Amino acid sequence: NAGVMQNPRHLVRRRGQEARLRCSPMKGHSHVYWYRQLPEEGLKFMVYLQKENIIDESGMPKERFSAEFPKEGPSILRIQQVVRGDSAAYFCASSRFHGAEVGNTIYFGEGSWLTVV
Amino acid sequence: GNSVTQMEGPVTLSEEAFLTINCTYTATGYPSLFWYVQYPGEGLQLLLKATKADDKGSNKGFEATYRKETTSFHLEKGSVQVSDSAVYFCALSGGSQGNLIFGKGTKLSVKP
Repeated sequence: NAGVMQNPRHLVRRRGQEARLRCSPMKGHSHVYWYRQLPEEGLKFMVYLQKENIIDESGMPKERFSAEFPKEGPSILRIQQVVRGDSAAYFCASSRFHGAEVGNTIYFGEGSWLTVV
Repeated sequence: GNSVTQMEGPVTLSEEAFLTINCTYTATGYPSLFWYVQYPGEGLQLLLKATKADDKGSNKGFEATYRKETTSFHLEKGSVQVSDSAVYFCALSGGSQGNLIFGKGTKLSVKP
């Protein structure tokens, strides 16, 4: 029973390039979340998606960042024209039920570490 | 808005010592509460959870009780091991759509 799968685990990009991070949720899960962890900080919510829909993107930076969760395939977090401040660990998580449902549990992947040089 | 406050780290303990990591929260409604653990270089793993007041979550010797009167969810373990060295995050399901809100994390180091 595979957990939340993220790839790549580590990604190095030069300033101005694009970064694409992929996430396959746990089997049977249709709700996906992306979080960012900056060095020495906790996790900050970025975006919550359900198949083909963005439910809540209140934590996404207004520019350069986008996310999708197509009907087929993994969820993608895309960062255009990366800058050094984008260097962080990006965690994907998934759940079976809607985030607000009582008793819902959110499971995390192992993260993708982005380094911008 | 909803928020989580954890005790500052790092916390350094000797093996077999008693552990308490404090966590308090501010929330409207009745959120679920969670502790996640992050081992070095790895992702977050759910350690335990509680979904309503007075619930006690427990796993691997760790436990935490959902205290509505004190808005707390302190993590405890009676006897820590070196393998418990990790960063511990308290979280609540309090976002507008139920997404998790995390504390800043508490780094625990256990010395043999």
